[in-house]
Amino acid sequence: KQEVTQIPAALSVPEGENLVLNCSFTDSAIYNLQWFRQDPGKGLTSLLLIQSSQREQTSGRLNASLDKSSGRSTLYIAASQPGDSATYLCAVAPLQGGSEKLVFGKGTKLTVNP
Amino acid sequence: GAVVSQHPSRVICKSGTSVKIECRSLDFQATTMFWYRQFPKQSLMLMATSNEGSKATYEQGVEKDKFLINHASLTLSTLTVTSAHPEDSSFYICSATASGRPRGELFFGEGSRLTVL
Repeated sequence: KQEVTQIPAALSVPEGENLVLNCSFTDSAIYNLQWFRQDPGKGLTSLLLIQSSQREQTSGRLNASLDKSSGRSTLYIAASQPGDSATYLCAVAPLQGGSEKLVFGKGTKLTVNP
Repeated sequence: GAVVSQHPSRVICKSGTSVKIECRSLDFQATTMFWYRQFPKQSLMLMATSNEGSKATYEQGVEKDKFLINHASLTLSTLTVTSAHPEDSSFYICSATASGRPRGELFFGEGSRLTVL
């Protein structure tokens, strides 16, 4: 059974700092991996989607990497801003049995202090 | 594009009553919709998968008679929590796939906070 773990559970940084969020998964048979942002009491906003054949994806100040063989992904946020404060969720899609059946981690709650 | 809307965003009900949550794809046809439940500080847990015009497929441990899912059209899926109890209080989120988009890409609604008194 696929399990997704995110470390740390919470992170507080000063504005302007670069930071890395970590995600690990137990089964390397994945179709893709996604990073989402969730604001309090809100739904999910997709940030980056990495296909299993890819190593990384970039969007603005965000960069996500994927090492499928080791079961790890990182989300790098450059020059953090208070507006980046949110919970970041990592989710993997299985290779079989429905690639839309995402398995989520518990998330990392990020606070960027002005 | 690819906007998913949920309604209501918040609902409070008395124990024993039923509550319906709607999930709509506003600008695309959603062949498949997914319903998740999220408890505080926990992961999103998939409850069921619904396909337009057919019965929903429930994940293990989810009571299909308690969580009724109807996917009557390509733009609307509903989740009805029947005879709600306080332990059903949670954040319910739907997501949808869109035809023509990369496989595995999902679009999420804003979520519905259910509080059962």
